[in-house]
Amino acid sequence: AQSVTQLGSHVSVSEGALVLLRCNYSSSVPPYLFWYVQYPNQGLQLLLKYTSAATLVKGINGFEAEFKKSETSFHLTKPSAHMSDAAEYFCAVSPGGYNKLIFGAGTRLAVHP
Amino acid sequence: EAEVAQSPRYKITEKSQAVAFWCDPISGHATLYWYRQILGQGPELLVQFQDESVVDDSQLPKDRFSAERLKGVDSTLKIQPAELGDSAMYLCAILAGDTGELFFGEGSRLTVL
Repeated sequence: AQSVTQLGSHVSVSEGALVLLRCNYSSSVPPYLFWYVQYPNQGLQLLLKYTSAATLVKGINGFEAEFKKSETSFHLTKPSAHMSDAAEYFCAVSPGGYNKLIFGAGTRLAVHP
Repeated sequence: EAEVAQSPRYKITEKSQAVAFWCDPISGHATLYWYRQILGQGPELLVQFQDESVVDDSQLPKDRFSAERLKGVDSTLKIQPAELGDSAMYLCAILAGDTGELFFGEGSRLTVL
C-alpha cells in the first residue's frame, strides 16, 4: 500500500532561516511525488513535483525538494524563510504516474521575525 | 478565472439534515476528484470521476454520501443525513492531464452541529 509520512506536524523557524520539511513515502511502484501548500481556508496549490526525471526538483517561491530512493524521502527545503511562507504543507504520492494523490497529514510552518 | 469553483464556501447544518456541495470546473478536464479534509489532517480521497463515470469510490461512505457528474463537467456531492463527524473541508480537484497537476478549488467548509 502507498502512504506518506510527514515528520513533525509543526515547524517553527525564524525569518531568513533554512526551512526543512520532512517527507517519507512508501510505494510498491515507482512513485510520482508532490508538495502542495495550503493557506488558511483555501485549497491546495502545487509547489513542485517529481516525476522520475531529475532527482532535485525546483518549485515556486524558492522551494526545492530532492528525491532519494534509498531513503524513500522527498524532503522540502528553502534556504531562507519569508514571513509569507507561513502555511500548511502537504507531501503527496501518486503511485505509478498521474493519478489520485495520497496525502500526508501535513506540516504547519510558522515563521517568526 | 479559477480552474475550479466550489459552492457554498461555508455551510452550517444540524445533524440529520441533508447537505449538498457543488463543483464547477473549467471544462475539458476528464478527471475530477472529491477529497475530504478533516481539521489538522491531510485530504483523503472520497471519489474519483473519469468523465461521468465513477472510477474509485472505495472510501466514500455510501450509506450517507453520494456523488454524481452527470454531464462529465460539474459535479455534486451530497450527504444525507449529516453526522457530527462529517464536519470537514470538502475539496474538489481536477487533473491537468498534460502536467499531472491537480488544481483544487477553495473548498466547502462544513460544520455539523
